[in-house]
Amino acid sequence: GESVGLHLPTLSVQEGDNSIINCAYSNSASDYFIWYKQESGKGPQFIIDIRSNMDKRQGQRVTVLLNKTVKHLSLQIAATQPGDSAVYFCAENKGGNNRLAFGKGNQVVVIP
Amino acid sequence: NAGVTQTPKFQVLKTGQSMTLQCAQDMNHNSMYWYRQDPGMGLRLIYYSASEGTTDKGEVPNGYNVSRLNKREFSLRLESAAPSQTSVYFCASSEVFWGGQFFGPGTRLTVL
Repeated sequence: GESVGLHLPTLSVQEGDNSIINCAYSNSASDYFIWYKQESGKGPQFIIDIRSNMDKRQGQRVTVLLNKTVKHLSLQIAATQPGDSAVYFCAENKGGNNRLAFGKGNQVVVIP
Repeated sequence: NAGVTQTPKFQVLKTGQSMTLQCAQDMNHNSMYWYRQDPGMGLRLIYYSASEGTTDKGEVPNGYNVSRLNKREFSLRLESAAPSQTSVYFCASSEVFWGGQFFGPGTRLTVL
């Protein structure tokens, strides 16, 4: 598949370890955030979301943390698996009509 | 449910040619979106339709037009393609405000 981004920050993780992917967002008024996963040659896939009135939200093997004070979002993946190898994007809702602004992405490479 | 579908999957155009990218969703979502994805640039919003009968410009609308044909379908037209429009184009849909956007598989367009 084609590359979705040149010179992306890359996180190499040993299979079975936990992964932490970080994202800084720009707008203190943003009230909704989403993490997406994009595998090579495919469209972005929704992983988990969080509203600004929450600090933490958990899903299956994933946890999103929101620190509004420093405008920082993180995605934690527990027990990383080879199928988790992908580019991960954070997105923030900056206004109405669910208009999202996407970060440039982080590449995660899982080492078997 | 097929989710969000896009046609064609691949397309090569010559400079000045026109074409329409098709998108359809079967999730009964109100809002639909067109993005382009370029290496190092992340996803950028071209146009969106908050509901049937409405369309609005996004971040990079120049050189494109859209039509919200009905609730299911949202097309993107390039009237006179330029090499700068070489990109991967994604269509997405969502409920009005809260909730993630769900993406199609993309159209890989090359303009020579």
